[in-house]
Amino acid sequence: SQQGEEDPQALSIQEGENATMNCSYKTSINNLQWYRQNSGRGLVHLILIRSNEREKHSGRLRVTLDTSKKSSSLLITASRAADTASYFCATDYGGSNYKLTFGKGTLLTVNP
Amino acid sequence: GAVVSQHPSRVICKSGTSVKIECRSLDFQATTMFWYRQFPKQSLMLMATSNEGSKATYEQGVEKDKFLINHASLTLSTLTVTSAHPEDSSFYICSATTDLYEQYFGPGTRLTVT
Repeated sequence: SQQGEEDPQALSIQEGENATMNCSYKTSINNLQWYRQNSGRGLVHLILIRSNEREKHSGRLRVTLDTSKKSSSLLITASRAADTASYFCATDYGGSNYKLTFGKGTLLTVNP
Repeated sequence: GAVVSQHPSRVICKSGTSVKIECRSLDFQATTMFWYRQFPKQSLMLMATSNEGSKATYEQGVEKDKFLINHASLTLSTLTVTSAHPEDSSFYICSATTDLYEQYFGPGTRLTVT
């Protein structure tokens, strides 16, 4: 089954506003990661949060993880036009196999 | 940070021909490399996991005879799309990892089969 379903699928905001993207998953995970992808490019790793963590910050990024609800959120504060990209969450189950399962992504457009 | 390159970045080939895509870890040795496929405006789908010196492990539904993966060294993995058809047109992305906690992604290869 597809892990990591993001919502919304698309989000359009004005520069300076905050953007919140959500990710839900179905089975227990080891880690959850957020990635960014500019159109036609590879993925850039943003942040990793472990299953025993609840919140993590990195610059303007804030990630929360609620394992009881099997969901995570990515908050980008004070957005900039350069933040325009697709954002994906990805989960892994740990153990000997660290395969990542990606969600469908949220396309964020930040209008100047 | 760790850098992964892919070559070529774009390739156009005719139906029935084979295409090889290279994935290199430039400044680290990757024990494991992954190959993904991404259709327009969709997510990444894992195709196979590749460990240096051993056979790749393919995901369910991925034809191993069509998508040949070779991981000859700790810095190079190749994906060969054999007898390519238009439906193989896609964006192929590789990633490389050392400790399995974080995958470093290449910039992707856009394959167009005419």
